[in-house]
Amino acid sequence: AQSVTQLGSHVSVSEGALVLLRCNYSSSVPPYLFWYVQYPNQGLQLLLKYTSAATLVKGINGFEAEFKKSETSFHLTKPSAHMSDAAEYFCAVTGAFNFGNEKLTFGTGTRLTIIP
Amino acid sequence: DGGITQSPKYLFRKEGQNVTLSCEQNLNHDAMYWYRQDPGQGLRLIYYSQIVNDFQKGDIAEGYSVSREKKESFPLTVTSAQKNPTAFYLCASSMRQLSYNEQFFGPGTRLTVL
Repeated sequence: AQSVTQLGSHVSVSEGALVLLRCNYSSSVPPYLFWYVQYPNQGLQLLLKYTSAATLVKGINGFEAEFKKSETSFHLTKPSAHMSDAAEYFCAVTGAFNFGNEKLTFGTGTRLTIIP
Repeated sequence: DGGITQSPKYLFRKEGQNVTLSCEQNLNHDAMYWYRQDPGQGLRLIYYSQIVNDFQKGDIAEGYSVSREKKESFPLTVTSAQKNPTAFYLCASSMRQLSYNEQFFGPGTRLTVL
């Protein structure tokens, strides 16, 4: 079984400041991890994914995340926040090698606000 | 352009009525999913389907039903048995149900029970 914990349901950062959104996972098997972004009243869009290749994953819009097995973490970062980054962000996990049973388990989300 | 369409965008229902949400994809994906989103609870899986004429219950299937008669279509019916149906419903699809394939999401349907 897998689970995800996103620390901080709301995060505010100033424009130009570092963005750090936290995600910790629990998995009984090697995990695959995903970050999705959701703008108001829209569906989710994939930012990046970790599938057991490089531990530092680069995604769209300047975001990146680092898989740290020892800390069971997959935090999302961006060096400089932009107003357009304001959205809700979801971390999700599934178990690698779960062929035929690949359900994603989502965290409860973090709403990111950018302060001008 | 390939993608997933959901209709309608907004839906209002009276208590005791069944209602069907549409989901269509032209991505030639095998797997399709329905999620429910409530504030502060993330996304919860209702039903998923790997192939035509086959589907499985997710974590919160009670009060919902689905069909998968065509590869492109995966409609969700919210029945009167669903006690608290007001929510944002998201449909998704993936190339095949393998862990490393991302899920693509539709724009969602917001259902309100009056």
